[in-house]
Amino acid sequence: AQKVTQAQTEISVVEKEDVTLDCVYETRDTTYYLFWYKQPPSGELVFLIRRNSFDEQNEISGRYSWNFQKSTSSFNFTITASQVVDSAVYFCALSEDILTGGGNKLTFGTGTQLKVEL
Amino acid sequence: DAGVTQSPTHLIKTRGQHVTLRCSPISGHKSVSWYQQVLGQGPQFIFQYYEKEERGRGNFPDRFSARQFPNYSSELNVNALLLGDSALYLCASSLMLSETEAFFGQGTRLTVV
Repeated sequence: AQKVTQAQTEISVVEKEDVTLDCVYETRDTTYYLFWYKQPPSGELVFLIRRNSFDEQNEISGRYSWNFQKSTSSFNFTITASQVVDSAVYFCALSEDILTGGGNKLTFGTGTQLKVEL
Repeated sequence: DAGVTQSPTHLIKTRGQHVTLRCSPISGHKSVSWYQQVLGQGPQFIFQYYEKEERGRGNFPDRFSARQFPNYSSELNVNALLLGDSALYLCASSLMLSETEAFFGQGTRLTVV
């Protein structure tokens, strides 16, 4: 069975600081996807990034970047130059059933509450 | 274009009652999934439907059921409500079964008293 662990329950930073959110996952599959979602107080989960298990290349998208390392089963997410609007709960998620469920059958971590203060 | 819409947004029910939650996917999306998010936890997968057929079920009791209609909208039903069923219920839709990006609605906040 798959499992996602987010050890950081809450992080507080000052605006413009960089912040990294940690995620460790467990799966027996060789084919899977990893995701990061953001959940503002309104409750809606907002898709941020996706990475498949065959591509360990780390990328940057605007202020977001991620570090995927299969050797340590980690998928960390970094926000550069944080802003107050980044304050939210961030969830890491794993999808194993690529052919039958794709991104719709997700296993989520417990989330990290990010607070960005002025 | 409208996103995933869920109704109602908030609901208060009494223990033992029945509840029906509704979800309208993004236009053209054929896959709908339901998640339960208890306060302070991550969402947990309940069901996935595609083309009106159940394609996945999470570890939830038989009191939970769902269905998908010809227009791809979906209902989640919960019978014999327990206090522990109090949660945010999220619906997600995607274009196809194997689509890897799911779009979430704002959820229905269910409180059981």
